[in-house]
This record gives sequence, structure tokens and C-alpha cells, in this order.
Amino acid sequence: KAGVTQTPRYLIKTRGQQVTLSCSPISGHRSVSWYQQTPGQGLQFLFEYFSETQRNKGNFPGRFSGRQFSNSRSEMNVSTLELGDSALYLCASTLMSSSEAFFGQGTRLTVV
Amino acid sequence: AQKITQTQPGMFVQEKEAVTLDCTYDTSDQSYGLFWYKQPSSGEMIFLIYQGSYDEQNATEGRYSLNFQKARKSANLVISASQLGDSAMYFCAMRDLTGANSKLTFGKGITLSVRP
Repeated sequence: KAGVTQTPRYLIKTRGQQVTLSCSPISGHRSVSWYQQTPGQGLQFLFEYFSETQRNKGNFPGRFSGRQFSNSRSEMNVSTLELGDSALYLCASTLMSSSEAFFGQGTRLTVV
Repeated sequence: AQKITQTQPGMFVQEKEAVTLDCTYDTSDQSYGLFWYKQPSSGEMIFLIYQGSYDEQNATEGRYSLNFQKARKSANLVISASQLGDSAMYFCAMRDLTGANSKLTFGKGITLSVRP
């Protein structure tokens, strides 16, 4: 059974640009969550999508957005990139709220 | 609001010995789940063990066990017979189980180094 797949693995972008990250969950999982991990702030929850609807949202500015498609694949977009957006972005898929989340290998974004 | 506290600095353990990684939590939720994840240098978060707040027995998964003390709000991870491959960051996390959401709240993590 395939795990959670995140693409791309690495990205280098310039300040002011925008970026789109992709996440394909485990087959059958309809919940996809996104997290930002930085050395200073640790792991912070961005948002969760379930059946194409945003179900929960963290405390991030509107530059961070996401969506989920009918096949449960999810994308997150960051517009007008700032240096502070440099981080490891992790995607997790979950079968149900009482079960464990399975994570992808992450996308490491560097903003220069 | 939920809060996870992991205050241990980097931990060191000799290969084949046991080690305990501390985790305390705070929540007003009646029903919650506690999780431990391992993050090697590659970045992927690997699920280790889960404990539900209403589970009466401590969870075990192979060499991992969770020492759950609800009254003290602690959920320490015990790794028995440490192996070199256990060297990684370890995160304690929790989730509210009363609502329909999968959001995890993480602690800051603990670095574990296993010495040969």
C-alpha cells in the first residue's frame, strides 16, 4: 500500500513569488492536514481538508491557502513568499479522527 | 486549548539500554488521543504509538511503550533495548477526539542519540 506522497521534495523560491505544494494521501484516506515545521516555531498546524472541504484552520495569514480534489489529493499554495516561510512542509493523511496520521517525507522550501 | 510540553534537552542512551522520553500535556478536552512520532534526519514523521484518554491499559508496540498517567497529565515514551537506528527527534502530540477533526498539537521534540 503506497504511503503519503509529497512533491516536490525540495524547492528554492525568491521572495515575492508564489509556490504550490502537492500531497497525495494514502488510498482511502479522505482527511489531509498540512503542517509547517521550523526550528524556531516547531510543528504548527496549517489546515485540514476532508472531502474537499476545509474542516479546520490554523493561525496563519491568508497568503497560505489550500484545496482538496475529489480524489483526496491536496495542494497548498503560499503567495507573496517571505523569508520566514522557509520551512519543512509536512502533509498527513488520516483515515478517521481517532486513528494515527501518516506523514509524507515533506517538502523543504527555501525562500531567498 | 491543548498544550504539549517536552522539556528534556538532548538525550543520550547506550545501545541496548532503555530510555524514557518525557511528555506532559494540558487540555480541557474530555476525550483525547496521545501520539508519539519519530523524525529521522530525512524529515518524515513516523508514527510509533497511540494512547486514548479512556484506555485503561498502557499502550505497547514492540519495543515502544507509553507510560500514561492521566492524573499527572503525562504520557512518557519508553524505548527498550535501544538501537543505533533509534537516533532521531521524537515528538509527543495530542488530538481532541470529541470533534470531527484530525488536527495534531505537537511538542517541541526531544533529540535522542544512541551511543554504540
